[in-house]
Parts: sequence; C-alpha cells; structure tokens
Amino acid sequence: DQQVKQNSPSLSVQEGRISILNCDYTNSMFDYFLWYKKYPAEGPTFLISISSIKDKNEDGRFTVFLNKSAKHLSLHIVPSQPGDSAVYFCAAGGRGTSYDKVIFGPGTSLSVIP
Amino acid sequence: KAGVTQTPRYLIKTRGQQVTLSCSPISGHRSVSWYQQTPGQGLQFLFEYFSETQRNKGNFPGRFSGRQFSNSRSEMNVSTLELGDSALYLCASSGRGQGGTEAFFGQGTRLTVV
Repeated sequence: DQQVKQNSPSLSVQEGRISILNCDYTNSMFDYFLWYKKYPAEGPTFLISISSIKDKNEDGRFTVFLNKSAKHLSLHIVPSQPGDSAVYFCAAGGRGTSYDKVIFGPGTSLSVIP
Repeated sequence: KAGVTQTPRYLIKTRGQQVTLSCSPISGHRSVSWYQQTPGQGLQFLFEYFSETQRNKGNFPGRFSGRQFSNSRSEMNVSTLELGDSALYLCASSGRGQGGTEAFFGQGTRLTVV
C-alpha cells in the first residue's frame, strides 16, 4: 500500500524547458511535503519543502505546488538544465504530530537533454 | 560541518550470513533514520532512532534491527541474509526528529547478497 505515489518512473525534457514532476498521496494526516534529488552513488539531498498551510513554495528555479483537496503535489523546474538530471523523490510526513514518519515515493528519473 | 557518514560503502555477503552497517550522523543531530532503496520501490523506511530509542518502525521483518548509541551513532543489523536484501541502505540524520524536517542523507551502503 503505497501512501506516496510517483506514477511516472521517468521523464525526459529538453534543456531550457519546464520539467514537471508529479506526486500523489493518500494519507490526509500528511501535512508536510518534501522533494529530494538523488544522483547515482550519492545519498538523496533535500531540495524544497512545503507545508500544508501553503499551496506554493518557490526557491530559485524550483517551485512546489500543493493541491490538498486532490492530495497532489508537483515540482516544477524552470528552466531545466542538464545538471538537473537525477532521480527525484517526493516525501510526505507529519510535522509535530503523532504521525512523524516521513514516507518516500518510488522516485522519478529525470533526464534533461542538452 | 561533517556530513552523514556511512560505513562500509560496499559489502558482499552470502545468504544466511548477518551484516552490520554503521551510520554517524551530523554532529548535534539526535535523530537517525534508516531506509532501504531498491529499484522501483523507492526509499522504504526501516526505522528511526531518537536519543537511543527506536521511535518508529517500518514494515520489515524482525531480521532487520538497529540501535543507537549515546553519541547518536547508529548501527543497523540484518540477520539470516536473503538475496532480496540486496539494496542500497541509506541513513539520514535530522536535528529535531524526523517529523516534518529535512533529513540529511549519507552516501549509503551498497549491500549485495549472493
């Protein structure tokens, strides 16, 4: 039973275009969402997060959108660069609640083509 | 500030053996979480330790166990290894506990069971 789903295992985008990575969750107790980026042979690194009280959070080229009613979030990368090629993990958790595990999705492998 | 250190980086074991993996968190971090990464399954949560106590546990069999020492260093043990245990094992540390805060990952230990 996957509580955090990333239905696209892979995505290819041209350099300079927008990359949109999607994530769906099932547990309404989640109120904090994170995106991590992982290069081969390295551990995941934190990218950006969003609390459920917001619907958008922006950090440079990265923007995360949250649609609570649809239990859906997305990560937008604009413009995409070849160095963005990596596996992106969506994660969800609870902040300060009894549900304090962070659950990761299966990841989406992004390839940015020069 | 040193990052999260995992040892060893690579390990080959035979079925039936046991293995111990080590994780040194970022100095001052008291929460250490362990994850298993396999292709297509993303990051599966194993367990979290906070101040030497197991605070959360994922859905893994009892062959998977862990502990945390007073200096926050953590070890993970897998007994009676099976071929399906071959995976990348990642350790993550965070300052205030796992819930809702970004975690910093180590590079992982690649375990191969033959």
